[in-house]
Amino acid sequence: GQNIDQPTEMTATEGAIVQINCTYQTSGFNGLFWYQQHAGEAPTFLSYNVLDGLEEKGRFSSFLSRSKGYSYLLLKELQMKDSASYLCAVRVPAGGSYIPTFGRGTSLIVHP
Amino acid sequence: NAGVTQTPKFRVLKTGQSMTLLCAQDMNHEYMYWYRQDPGMGLRLIHYSVGEGTTAKGEVPDGYNVSRLKKQNFLLGLESAAPSQTSVYFCASSYSGLAAEQYFGPGTRLTVT
Repeated sequence: GQNIDQPTEMTATEGAIVQINCTYQTSGFNGLFWYQQHAGEAPTFLSYNVLDGLEEKGRFSSFLSRSKGYSYLLLKELQMKDSASYLCAVRVPAGGSYIPTFGRGTSLIVHP
Repeated sequence: NAGVTQTPKFRVLKTGQSMTLLCAQDMNHEYMYWYRQDPGMGLRLIHYSVGEGTTAKGEVPDGYNVSRLKKQNFLLGLESAAPSQTSVYFCASSYSGLAAEQYFGPGTRLTVT
């Protein structure tokens, strides 16, 4: 089976930096995704890593270590609007194709 | 472009009733997916399709059927609804199985009483 672990909830202060970790044990790997989901809305794409290293996109960065089965999403200069759920997903082989499998998500609460 | 749309947005069913959820995308994507999202459970894949005329089971397929008769549409059917199927259902699409991104619809909130 596939196992993707994330902390259930995190809190942080506006203006600070927060790191959300994701560890995975899957039968195969072909990329790791991070999505943001505000309450009552659909998930929206944040980042994609397929090779080891850091991908930076504005205030958000994502890191991957395939040998350790580990990724993190780094959010800098936190804003109140960053309060949301952050979903880690790993793309795994399935029936000749590749399908994303999601973790349970991390609820981030940003307070003033 | 409308992206991914879902119909209906809300629905209340009685146990044993049937219904079909419609997902449509106008991005010419090959892959389409149906997920359910329950509190504390993340997104769980119900069924998916890798192209017109194809369907495959995901992690939680029991009690659901799907069809992909046209490339742009992916239908999710509940033949005999149960309270355990109360959930928020999201449809998604991607250009291919190796695409960097999935695009999600706005969701359908289904309650089965």
